[in-house]
Amino acid sequence: KQEVTQIPAALSVPEGENLVLNCSFTDSAIYNLQWFRQDPGKGLTSLLLIQSSQREQTSGRLNASLDKSSGRSTLYIAASQPGDSATYLCAVRDPRAGSNYQLIWGAGTKLIIKP
Amino acid sequence: EAGVAQSPRYKIIEKRQSVAFWCNPISGHATLYWYQQILGQGPKLLIQFQNNGVVDDSQLPKDRFSAERLKGVDSTLKIQPAKLEDSAVYLCASSLVSGFGTGELFFGEGSRLTVL
Repeated sequence: KQEVTQIPAALSVPEGENLVLNCSFTDSAIYNLQWFRQDPGKGLTSLLLIQSSQREQTSGRLNASLDKSSGRSTLYIAASQPGDSATYLCAVRDPRAGSNYQLIWGAGTKLIIKP
Repeated sequence: EAGVAQSPRYKIIEKRQSVAFWCNPISGHATLYWYQQILGQGPKLLIQFQNNGVVDDSQLPKDRFSAERLKGVDSTLKIQPAKLEDSAVYLCASSLVSGFGTGELFFGEGSRLTVL
């Protein structure tokens, strides 16, 4: 059964630092992986989606990588800003999770950027 | 382009009462999802629709939860009667049809339910 883990559960860094958030999954046979951002009391905002055939995706200051063989994805945030403070969740699309490739979610990493 | 719309944003009820949530997906998105998110956890899929047909409702507590999607567009999620453990944020998401519903998901802002 696929499991998705995000460690650490919380992270606090000074403004301006580059940082990496981690996502690991137990079964490498994924269809794609998606990173989301969630602000307090809000829904989820899609940040990046990486197909299983891709190694990375970039959007602005964000770069997500995917290494299926090791069961890992990282979200790199360059030059962090206080506005980046949020909870970041990853989810993998698992072709063995039901007939509809259901998303399997991590619990998220709560990121705090200190001014 | 308008995003996924949900209402109400907040609802407080007493246990054993009923509540309904409404979702309007992004125009043209055939796949609609309802998720339950308990504080500190990732979302849990309750039900997935493809147009107005149910694709997956294996984790929906059918003794108290029901959902429908009229004409393949708007959807409502109902809880009756509510229990204390139903306190959560109910998230609606939609995606374009892309092979087994594997497209990118777009979420609404959620409906926060508190059951007293």
